[in-house]
Amino acid sequence: DQQVKQNSPSLSVQEGRISILNCDYTNSMFDYFLWYKKYPAEGPTFLISISSIKDKNEDGRFTVFLNKSAKHLSLHIVPSQPGDSAVYFCAASARGGSEKLVFGKGMKLTVNP
Amino acid sequence: EAQVTQNPRYLITVTGKKLTVTCSQNMNHEYMSWYRQDPGLGLRQIYYSMNVEVTDKGDVPEGYKVSRKEKRNFPLILESPSPNQTSLYFCASSPVRVGEQFFGPGTRLTVL
Repeated sequence: DQQVKQNSPSLSVQEGRISILNCDYTNSMFDYFLWYKKYPAEGPTFLISISSIKDKNEDGRFTVFLNKSAKHLSLHIVPSQPGDSAVYFCAASARGGSEKLVFGKGMKLTVNP
Repeated sequence: EAQVTQNPRYLITVTGKKLTVTCSQNMNHEYMSWYRQDPGLGLRQIYYSMNVEVTDKGDVPEGYKVSRKEKRNFPLILESPSPNQTSLYFCASSPVRVGEQFFGPGTRLTVL
């Protein structure tokens, strides 16, 4: 049973536009969520996180939104840049992040110049 | 430079030949973990370690062993590799159990 779902395997956007990456989860015990970015031939790198006590967290061009009632979170990248082209993983944890991370399958973002 | 290193980066081996993938971190992190990444399956945890001499199974531990004799090192051991262990492996560390984990560059393993 997949507890963290990234249903779209890929997304292509134009440079300067908004990229919206979606993630759904099924486990109601999850209360801490993270996004990781992965370039080819490199390990994933942490991008941004959000606790369930908040519904939004911003870091520069990156904003994560959390809708607890819908068990849905999204990552917005504005404006998108070609260097943002990568695979993005959504991850979730319970107990404020003290439980193991459960990852989604990943989504490939391509930002076209 | 704070980092997680893995060796080797690439390995081709044959079924049944024991191998070890090393992982080392220089950040004094207590928590370390191994993941495998497979197409369509994302990242799945193999084993993790909360501290020296403390290890536990993740989601897909079958066919793997680990040890944590020193805080900085967390090797992954495949006693008798099989083709279904062909995968991309990542080691990760963090100061606490989860949250912002730092990942190594990955080891691409092919078992023939």
